[in-house]
Amino acid sequence: DIVMTQTPLSSPVTLGQPASISCRSSQSLVHSDGNTYLSWLQQRPGQPPRLLIYKISNRFSGVPDRFSGSGAGTDFTLKINRVEAEDVGVYYCMQGTQFPLTFGGGTKVEIK
Amino acid sequence: QVQLVESGGGVVQPGGFLRLSCAASGFTFSSYGMHWVRQAPGKGLEWVAFIRYDGSNRYYPDSVKGRFTISRDNSKNTLYLQMNSLRAEDTAVYYCAKDPGLKMLDYWGQGTLVTVSS
Repeated sequence: DIVMTQTPLSSPVTLGQPASISCRSSQSLVHSDGNTYLSWLQQRPGQPPRLLIYKISNRFSGVPDRFSGSGAGTDFTLKINRVEAEDVGVYYCMQGTQFPLTFGGGTKVEIK
Repeated sequence: QVQLVESGGGVVQPGGFLRLSCAASGFTFSSYGMHWVRQAPGKGLEWVAFIRYDGSNRYYPDSVKGRFTISRDNSKNTLYLQMNSLRAEDTAVYYCAKDPGLKMLDYWGQGTLVTVSS
């Protein structure tokens, strides 16, 4: 199974400041079709997860452009340009390249 | 708009069984693969099962293989998860999620809580 490791576990951020979350996979996420199936999800308190980014860097419908994804191979990053109060929650990376699908352990973003 | 509504959760004794349902609307259900994902209380996300749009292929992690069965009824726009031989560690909120074919989960339901306890 592919192990997904996220850092940090927690990220206290000042409103309006940037935040960055790292995700590392135990093996390359490049699929045999040439795509890299790494996505990012946000889970606000008391809510189900919500898709933010797919295939490393593609923002899902309705996702604000302050969210961006980057990376390749085994190392990936989610950046929030200027954190807003509504961004509080837990963020997960997920790989869809190989079954079983696996998630990172989550990074909690909170306001300082 | 896409809606996914889970039901069927509840309290069950260890060794017991439960069947979850996920009613889909707002999209052509028969054209998309579907997943079940669970989240134990205060914990992270764990993928549980996937079924192709036509039911031809199903996948499970080792933690539930042989105990859980995913199925679907495209005539009823409904996804199912049959859970047998339940254990305390199966206690979680179970979410169904849609897969647009890009190996991602683009829409999620609100979840249904399953508690395995004597």
